[in-house]
Amino acid sequence: GAGVSQSPSNKVTEKGKDVELRCDPISGHTALYWYRQRLGQGLEFLIYFQGNSAPDKSGLPSDRFSAERTGESVSTLTIQRTQQEDSAVYLCASSLTSGSNEQFFGPGTRLTVL
Amino acid sequence: AQKITQTQPGMFVQEKEAVTLDCTYDTSDPSYGLFWYKQPSSGEMIFLIYQGSYDQQNATEGRYSLNFQKARKSANLVISASQLGDSAMYFCAMRELYNQGGKLIFGQGTELSVKP
Repeated sequence: GAGVSQSPSNKVTEKGKDVELRCDPISGHTALYWYRQRLGQGLEFLIYFQGNSAPDKSGLPSDRFSAERTGESVSTLTIQRTQQEDSAVYLCASSLTSGSNEQFFGPGTRLTVL
Repeated sequence: AQKITQTQPGMFVQEKEAVTLDCTYDTSDPSYGLFWYKQPSSGEMIFLIYQGSYDQQNATEGRYSLNFQKARKSANLVISASQLGDSAMYFCAMRELYNQGGKLIFGQGTELSVKP
């Protein structure tokens, strides 16, 4: 079956512009996560959605970052007024529920802010 | 304080030999899970193995086993009979079930290189 997909795969933008990153989770997965991976680093948690519950936004680094999810489907991560330090790979993952043992990761979006 | 610590930035192993990748963790949550992921140069994250904090036996999945020492708060990954395709970054991660929901906390990773 189809895995987690993300678009675009690469995004180059200028400092100060807004960007939107998209994640399509595995069908039927109620939990969806966003992580950020800076070059040579581990993954940092950003935000997660579980069904219709309020999202856990505790990992968002600033108010320039926001995310939405429509029901149990697509999610978009928006970064406003991008800064060079936002350059990273943004990974999305989904799992059947937040208690599931395995999170399935998408291929990521590589964001470069010039 | 670091919740997940991987002290080996890089490791080398000879093909067909076993290798242990270290991971220590810190949590006050009585219920937690420990994970290992592999990230090849392509960038995808591949789930390898899971250990629950209440599991009595060490987890095994094929050539992967997790050496879980709860009192020491360590969850080392053992890869037996290394293959060239095992060359990749390896990340240890933890999920604290009571306090933090489903999110994973990752270590900084260990880069494993398998020599022919």
